[in-house]
Amino acid sequence: QQQVKQSPQSLIVQKGGISIINCAYENTAFDYFPWYQQFPGKGPALLIAIRPDVSEKKEGRFTISFNKSAKQFSLHIMDSQPGDSATYFCAANDNQGGKLIFGQGTELSVKP
Amino acid sequence: DAGVIQSPRHEVTEMGQEVTLRCKPISGHNSLFWYRQTMMRGLELLIYFNNNVPIDDSGMPEDRFSAKMPNASFSTLKIQPSEPRDSAVYFCASSPGQGPTDTQYFGPGTRLTVL
Repeated sequence: QQQVKQSPQSLIVQKGGISIINCAYENTAFDYFPWYQQFPGKGPALLIAIRPDVSEKKEGRFTISFNKSAKQFSLHIMDSQPGDSATYFCAANDNQGGKLIFGQGTELSVKP
Repeated sequence: DAGVIQSPRHEVTEMGQEVTLRCKPISGHNSLFWYRQTMMRGLELLIYFNNNVPIDDSGMPEDRFSAKMPNASFSTLKIQPSEPRDSAVYFCASSPGQGPTDTQYFGPGTRLTVL
């Protein structure tokens, strides 16, 4: 019940295309869902986050879509750029403190 | 701000040796997290502290692992004795508080190789 399942494991997209990464969870106590971006040799960094009281959050080219009934959420990267090539992690928190449960990660490669 | 500082950045050791990883959180942050990242298991929380007190150590794999936070600006993660399966990248992160929406800021990580 503590798991967050993420797919796909890897993704190749052409420059200008849309990248979509999906996550699913079981624990209905989860109520905060951040996405982290990690470049090679670096630590993860917060990209964007959402709470389940909204169905969508957009920041620039990055959008989180949230489906509370299906217990799924996804990250959409519009107009993907080579500089977006990184590993993306979804995560969830159950409002019991700072503990985050991370998905397995998606390695995104954007081809020029 | 310098961000979260970890040392060493790389550590190569032999099985059975003691390994100590160090972390300096961002000044003013009162929560500190230790994570382990491997290809097989992804990013796992090992332990986290709030105001220097361990809050959740359920992710610590076994008694060979221990973590301390003697003050607000320093934490250590110790592995004794080390084993090849401990090879991983270990991240330290800090956040301003322990609320769910408090952003965790990660350090650059320590890549540990146990031969």
